[in-house]
Amino acid sequence: NAGVTQTPKFQVLKTGQSMTLQCAQDMNHNSMYWYRQDPGMGLRLIYYSASEGTTDKGEVPNGYNVSRLNKREFSLRLESAAPSQTSVYFCASGKTSLETQYFGPGTRLLVL
Amino acid sequence: AQSVTQPDIHITVSEGASLELRCNYSYGATPYLFWYVQSPGQGLQLLLKYFSGDTLVQGIKGFEAEFKRSQSSFNLRKPSVHWSDAAEYFCAVAPYTGTASKLTFGTGTRLQVTL
Repeated sequence: NAGVTQTPKFQVLKTGQSMTLQCAQDMNHNSMYWYRQDPGMGLRLIYYSASEGTTDKGEVPNGYNVSRLNKREFSLRLESAAPSQTSVYFCASGKTSLETQYFGPGTRLLVL
Repeated sequence: AQSVTQPDIHITVSEGASLELRCNYSYGATPYLFWYVQSPGQGLQLLLKYFSGDTLVQGIKGFEAEFKRSQSSFNLRKPSVHWSDAAEYFCAVAPYTGTASKLTFGTGTRLQVTL
């Protein structure tokens, strides 16, 4: 039981490049979330998916897209990376929208 | 919209001393409240949560928190801190919407433990 896994762990991009951050959970959870963490700002919700087939914007969605591929997987895509997207990205999942969220180990992204 | 304030950016305590981390929230109705801990280079782990009922909530690792509606606070406490408690602590609030709850996090309090 791996919980929530994220790939890659680290990534360096040049401005304008695209990439997809992968997240998978093996806990049969319905809800999945993407956050970014920046120094002095805590975690901010980018997008979430209440259940398979649905996605909604969070607090800071601009510059990102998501795909809930199936119940297990929720990916985050940066179409044209910008230095302002340098951050640590966390994926989380929860049994339902009101249940505890379990976090992955994070992806550290640097955009030059 | 809800918000969370953690007024202490950094706290240092001696091992064995008591600990209280402050959290104040702003929300129009009764919120759902959480405390998470993040060790260096790691994801977040839930310490405890408050949904309803008893306002004193027990969590893992010997932590507890008390919900005080009149003060809009949800402070985290531990009677005797261990060196392994050094980490960053986040308070979070979520409204009950019936659908996906959107957690709003505070900016965190970094705890340093001296031996």
